[in-house]
Amino acid sequence: DAGVIQSPRHEVTEMGQEVTLRCKPISGHDYLFWYRQTMMRGLELLIYFNNNVPIDDSGMPEDRFSAKMPNASFSTLKIQPSEPRDSAVYFCASSFSSQGVGYTFGSGTRLTVV
Amino acid sequence: AQSVTQLGSHVSVSEGALVLLRCNYSSSVPPYLFWYVQYPNQGLQLLLKYTTGATLVKGINGFEAEFKKSETSFHLTKPSAHMSDAAEYFCAVSAGTASKLTFGTGTRLQVTL
Repeated sequence: DAGVIQSPRHEVTEMGQEVTLRCKPISGHDYLFWYRQTMMRGLELLIYFNNNVPIDDSGMPEDRFSAKMPNASFSTLKIQPSEPRDSAVYFCASSFSSQGVGYTFGSGTRLTVV
Repeated sequence: AQSVTQLGSHVSVSEGALVLLRCNYSSSVPPYLFWYVQYPNQGLQLLLKYTTGATLVKGINGFEAEFKKSETSFHLTKPSAHMSDAAEYFCAVSAGTASKLTFGTGTRLQVTL
């Protein structure tokens, strides 16, 4: 298996533009998580899905952020409009139902909003 | 609800010295515990995990951790540090019915000659 695949690896965009981050989880995993990592805040859980259904989006910072999972093999995290404070590394992770398995993380998308 | 506290945001050891990274957890139910490692510009990689059974668990790269229920701890150790161990290490706990991990704030390990 190729692991969790995220794209793009790097994204530089201007303030006010829409940004879409993509994630392909490991086949067969039924949980998908979006995290944001910054120096100031560390690793923050933004939202997670179970069987393509959003379970907890309490970590989404504001309405500018939205996430979808249209099918078991694809998820997007969208920021519209983007702001400089959104600059961070965004990670996607997936796991099996069993909580004892742990997550498999993607390599992340480094977002820079200028 | 569960939480994790990692003592020490930065730890520096000499090459060949013992590595000890501390993690204490809080959980209302029997926890599952994890250590992840993150190398620069990479995602998090599972180092080891405790679910049930033997309380001393061994992971990759010579690391191990011991689950101590009485101390609510899950400290990570390695007998002899190597330069390649320099990275950030995250402790995490999972409890309850949701498969959600709660991560600590991380400990950056520096290995010096």
